[in-house]
Amino acid sequence: GQQVMQIPQYQHVQEGEDFTTYCNSSTTLSNIQWYKQRPGGHPVFLIQLVKSGEVKKQKRLTFQFGEAKKNSSLHITATQTTDVGTYFCGTGTASKLTFGTGTRLQVTL
Amino acid sequence: NAGVTQTPKFRVLKTGQSMTLLCAQDMNHEYMYWYRQDPGMGLRLIHYSVGEGTTAKGEVPDGYNVSRLKKQNFLLGLESAAPSQTSVYFCASQSSYNEQFFGPGTRLTVL
Repeated sequence: GQQVMQIPQYQHVQEGEDFTTYCNSSTTLSNIQWYKQRPGGHPVFLIQLVKSGEVKKQKRLTFQFGEAKKNSSLHITATQTTDVGTYFCGTGTASKLTFGTGTRLQVTL
Repeated sequence: NAGVTQTPKFRVLKTGQSMTLLCAQDMNHEYMYWYRQDPGMGLRLIHYSVGEGTTAKGEVPDGYNVSRLKKQNFLLGLESAAPSQTSVYFCASQSSYNEQFFGPGTRLTVL
């Protein structure tokens, strides 16, 4: 099945700084999904990308799917303390969804 | 709508005991999943179901059994709990858009 690697595992930023997490694969991905999990909470769906080179924005969050469909990124502009949590990417079909190990974001004032 | 609910929220078992985790969704989704989440391991799929009466193995099925007798419910059973099954368990259901909706989780400790 499709596998994805996420980097970095952890990032600590000061409020107002930007943050980016990357999801990489050695094979072409059919799609990429991004989820956010707050500390002590459950994963919450953010977005799905399916097209080569696709870029989607949600307020301060920008999601990209690479031209070769082998990588994806989530960029947060001007982080806030409410952005704290772990961001997961996932890929696959309805019966074979595989998640990356996540990037934990810590934001301090 | 309640979305996806899980019971119990917390449980402590002794090695060898059995238990059933309950998951319910009110969104009429066909696909349902059970994951476990361990530190540094992300989410790993235990079992899944593509519809009422059907189940299939995921990435880490050993030591677990599941049943989907009704479309809205997906049960995860541990017949003989082991310390290695200490984890946080999430149930999820999937929409036709491929969006997965997760329940609040069950924190299980096996002593």
